Amino acid sequence: GEDVEQSLFLSVREGDSSVINCTYTDSSSTYLYWYKQEPGAGLQLLTYIFSNMDMKQDQRLTVLLNKKDKHLSLRIADTQTGDSAIYFCAYPPGAGNMLTFGGGTRLMVKP
Amino acid sequence: NAGVTQTPKFQVLKTGQSMTLQCAQDMNHNSMYWYRQDPGMGLRLIYYSASEGTTDKGEVPNGYNVSRLNKREFSLRLESAAPSQTSVYFCASSDGGYQPQHFGDGTRLSIL
Repeated sequence: GEDVEQSLFLSVREGDSSVINCTYTDSSSTYLYWYKQEPGAGLQLLTYIFSNMDMKQDQRLTVLLNKKDKHLSLRIADTQTGDSAIYFCAYPPGAGNMLTFGGGTRLMVKP
Repeated sequence: NAGVTQTPKFQVLKTGQSMTLQCAQDMNHNSMYWYRQDPGMGLRLIYYSASEGTTDKGEVPNGYNVSRLNKREFSLRLESAAPSQTSVYFCASSDGGYQPQHFGDGTRLSIL
């Protein structure tokens, strides 16, 4: 979506950390989400962060939110080949639960 | 644990043909959504239903109609398919508010 920007592609080696970035335009959103899409499948919710938080950690995943710069990032520690997928950030730009998605970042993990 | 089920998984149509995509969820969610996914464009909302008995247009509603048949089912209809509607279609559901959306596995639709 035009309101959410992500880089198209990221390549890392197995065991390295991956950082996927997202910038958005609407500062009123309450939640921001990260979804993962494996080939031929639907989107799977990975994690989310409240807008009043700066950071959220969930096992190998760390989400950082910079509200001033409207920047969201997803860090995957010890990246595995099974992490290869497309990652989407998304947020509800207005009232209700409709989501605006970024274009997705394709993560390729090389053995 | 089925979650959101979409049928069919694949379909090829000729220009001008009509088609209904089916979606059902077993999580007792109030809200349901239809998206299309095109390369490099993320997901774009076609229509949504905030609750049983209501439907509203999303970002790209032209050429589509929807029916919220009951709380479980939300269908998407293409009355006269066009090549520009070649896409992957996803249905999702949620409890509304800021509860996360749960997605089906998609319907891959090609229009020749």
